[in-house]
Amino acid sequence: DAGVIQSPRHEVTEMGQEVTLRCKPISGHDYLFWYRQTMMRGLELLIYFNNNVPIDDSGMPEDRFSAKMPNASFSTLKIQPSEPRDSAVYFCASSRGGGISNQPQHFGDGTRLSIL
Amino acid sequence: DAKTTQPPSMDCAEGRAANLPCNHSTISGNEYVYWYRQIHSQGPQYIIHGLKNNETNEMASLIITEDRKSSTLILPHATLRDTAVYYCIVRVGGGAQKLVFGQGTRLTINP
Repeated sequence: DAGVIQSPRHEVTEMGQEVTLRCKPISGHDYLFWYRQTMMRGLELLIYFNNNVPIDDSGMPEDRFSAKMPNASFSTLKIQPSEPRDSAVYFCASSRGGGISNQPQHFGDGTRLSIL
Repeated sequence: DAKTTQPPSMDCAEGRAANLPCNHSTISGNEYVYWYRQIHSQGPQYIIHGLKNNETNEMASLIITEDRKSSTLILPHATLRDTAVYYCIVRVGGGAQKLVFGQGTRLTINP
């Protein structure tokens, strides 16, 4: 069973450029999450989707960040324009809806983003 | 979601049981205790979760006190590959799906 797949694994780009991170969740999972991890702030939830619909985007830092989920097997996180402070590791995770006993989230290996 | 408190770091000898504590004194009756770990440069990995009964799986055991104000994750025979940051998280079941990660415990397994 393939896990959560993220691409690219590493991205280095210059300030002001558009950055697109991609995620393929585990098949059959109806929740998808985007997290960001930095040394200063640790792991933070940016946004999550249920059945391709954004449910909570309160963690998205500002309008430069946007996320979409056009179908159940694909999501993107876009940063435009990018800034050096956006440098971080971005993780995507997915889970099944679990009713009372929530199902665990399964994480991808992340995209390490460096904005020069 | 309730806040958790974990020691910042712990050491354990290879082959011994690693016992990682977590305090969640403000936990509500419908909040579950989850444990994840993050090995260097990888995504967080789910370990185990529970509500009030002790739980065991192939990775670990979770012991929750009767008052549910604290819990202990037990890795019965720690190996070098268990060196990681371990996160204890409490979250409402059936509700919002957010996981709020704290600073966790950096566990080092020594040969």
